[in-house]
Amino acid sequence: GNSVTQMEGPVTLSEEAFLTINCTYTATGYPSLFWYVQYPGEGLQLLLKATKADDKGSNKGFEATYRKETTSFHLEKGSVQVSDSAVYFCALSRTGNQFYFGTGTSLTVIP
Amino acid sequence: GAVVSQHPSWVICKSGTSVKIECRSLDFQATTMFWYRQFPKQSLMLMATSNEGSKATYEQGVEKDKFLINHASLTLSTLTVTSAHPEDSSFYICSASPPGASSYNEQFFGPGTRLTVL
Repeated sequence: GNSVTQMEGPVTLSEEAFLTINCTYTATGYPSLFWYVQYPGEGLQLLLKATKADDKGSNKGFEATYRKETTSFHLEKGSVQVSDSAVYFCALSRTGNQFYFGTGTSLTVIP
Repeated sequence: GAVVSQHPSWVICKSGTSVKIECRSLDFQATTMFWYRQFPKQSLMLMATSNEGSKATYEQGVEKDKFLINHASLTLSTLTVTSAHPEDSSFYICSASPPGASSYNEQFFGPGTRLTVL
């Protein structure tokens, strides 16, 4: 079946620290992979995506590389800001319709 | 990008009453919309797939008589929580994709509706 496993949070970092949020997946076929972000009180927003192996998605300083050999899509940012505080969800989709989400990782960045 | 709206953004109701939540795609037509439920500090759980002009498809364990879904038009899907109870209190989120969705396409999510049942 299809599933996503994310590292559990919460994660607390100081401003300008390096961020890694691990995500691994199980899927049949070749899914597309996504990172969504949910800011406090808001809905989910697409942060970045990758549609095939070795693709790198990037946005707002965040990056994630689609690693088929390790079935991973880890999210990284070199220098986090207070405004990055949010909940981050890893997700996969095979059809563009049904999405499978990880449990979410809460990130708090302190000044 | 495409915009999905939800109404209301939050609602408080008494136990035993029914609550209707609307999901609209504002600038595109969506033959399929999805309803999710999000518990505090947990992930989104897909409840059902809403299909325009036909019955919704419910995920295992979701009571279709309790969570009524109506996809009346290509831009509107409604979720009605019938005879709500405190355990139905949750954050309900809908999503949709523009036509021709493939695995490359993202889902566009509504801002969510916070339901509190007293």
